[in-house]
Amino acid sequence: DTGVSQDPRHKITKRGQNVTFRCDPISEHNRLYWYRQTLGQGPEFLTYFQNEAQLEKSRLLSDRFSAERPKGSFSTLEIQRTEQGDSAMYLCASSLVGLQETQYFGPGTRLLVL
Amino acid sequence: ELKVEQNPLFLSMQEGKNYTIYCNYSTTSDRLYWYRQDPGKSLESLFVLLSNGAVKQEGRLMASLDTKARLSTLHITAAVHDLSATYFCAVEDVSNYQLIWGAGTKLIIKP
Repeated sequence: DTGVSQDPRHKITKRGQNVTFRCDPISEHNRLYWYRQTLGQGPEFLTYFQNEAQLEKSRLLSDRFSAERPKGSFSTLEIQRTEQGDSAMYLCASSLVGLQETQYFGPGTRLLVL
Repeated sequence: ELKVEQNPLFLSMQEGKNYTIYCNYSTTSDRLYWYRQDPGKSLESLFVLLSNGAVKQEGRLMASLDTKARLSTLHITAAVHDLSATYFCAVEDVSNYQLIWGAGTKLIIKP
């Protein structure tokens, strides 16, 4: 399968714990995005990378959130000191820069903070 | 600040009927996307629209873009149950290339 993959698919954690999610984009794609989606809402942009450079970060992203894409391939999203309000689906997407650029989404990681 | 509004947010319709979902956005943009999402699943790309008057069709779905009116439509022809899903439009913010998403239209098609 050459689509975007995410791991884990589900994560249950206790408030205050740290969690880390991984995203593997489509191999030739140079842009990688992280979104958060809550029930009944559209995706909310968190951050994106072009190759290994983090080019944009949402104002909504608190200091507890950090993302990396160390070699311009896979990416990780870490949430420190999780809060119940962090419970959501975390979606990763990748794209290839170009006129018809389209973001292709992974299956998501569903986070539940107890 | 770019804002995207979809309507309706919920639509229940009978198989065989036609209907249109609307997506309005507040500032100039070069790209508009339509995505489909099934319950508990991720987002599937349907269309990317790049220019005024662009029209794309795939099966029973047709999307169009009027950049002057800042309006896109997703038209469903002779709906079938398999098209039941939530449909999102997303508009590219030209200042930072972020996608700004509508709230989604939940479409239920009854046999």
